[in-house]
Amino acid sequence: NAGVTQTPKFRVLKTGQSMTLLCAQDMNHEYMYWYRQDPGMGLRLIHYSVGEGTTAKGEVPDGYNVSRLKKQNFLLGLESAAPSQTSVYFCASSYGLLNQPQHFGDGTRLSIL
Amino acid sequence: GEDVEQSLFLSVREGDSSVINCTYTDSSSTYLYWYKQEPGAGLQLLTYIFSNMDMKQDQRLTVLLNKKDKHLSLRIADTQTGDSAIYFCAEREVSGRRALTFGSGTRLQVQP
Repeated sequence: NAGVTQTPKFRVLKTGQSMTLLCAQDMNHEYMYWYRQDPGMGLRLIHYSVGEGTTAKGEVPDGYNVSRLKKQNFLLGLESAAPSQTSVYFCASSYGLLNQPQHFGDGTRLSIL
Repeated sequence: GEDVEQSLFLSVREGDSSVINCTYTDSSSTYLYWYKQEPGAGLQLLTYIFSNMDMKQDQRLTVLLNKKDKHLSLRIADTQTGDSAIYFCAEREVSGRRALTFGSGTRLQVQP
């Protein structure tokens, strides 16, 4: 059972570079989420998706874009990376918003120099 | 806006009980969750409680909910070194239109 898989696990970027983080889930979940985790701040929701072809902004969406072209994949893009985006990024998925728990990937550690 | 608060750190001795506390502000919260994060890993759902319950027990874990005070706690009995991790409290509101709100996490350190 793979669950939620994130690639890459680690990445170092220079300011201004772009990159895409990939999240894949094999549980046929409708809902997918991208969070960032910073020391002392818990998890903050960046963007989420309630189904294939749909996306919505979370708490901290600025500087990020997302796409959900296939139900099993949720991509997070940084168009022009900034040092403030240095963080650990987590993807999660769930059957629904209301009473279903979220399943998390193992995270992507991203450093922007 | 909605807020979930936790203390940052807790240290206990192996074999003792641990109690991790959480307070939340949203009175329309329905489900309240406890997640565990081990080093280098994602969050793992430990247990959850529905807001019409006062207590839920699952092996060594006991969740207590005080709706009046909007206070949630997680008690781990007979704490083991493998319980050392960060524990996150999270709440979900009734409409389901808003995703989970997480606390900042409590780091539990278990001394042998």
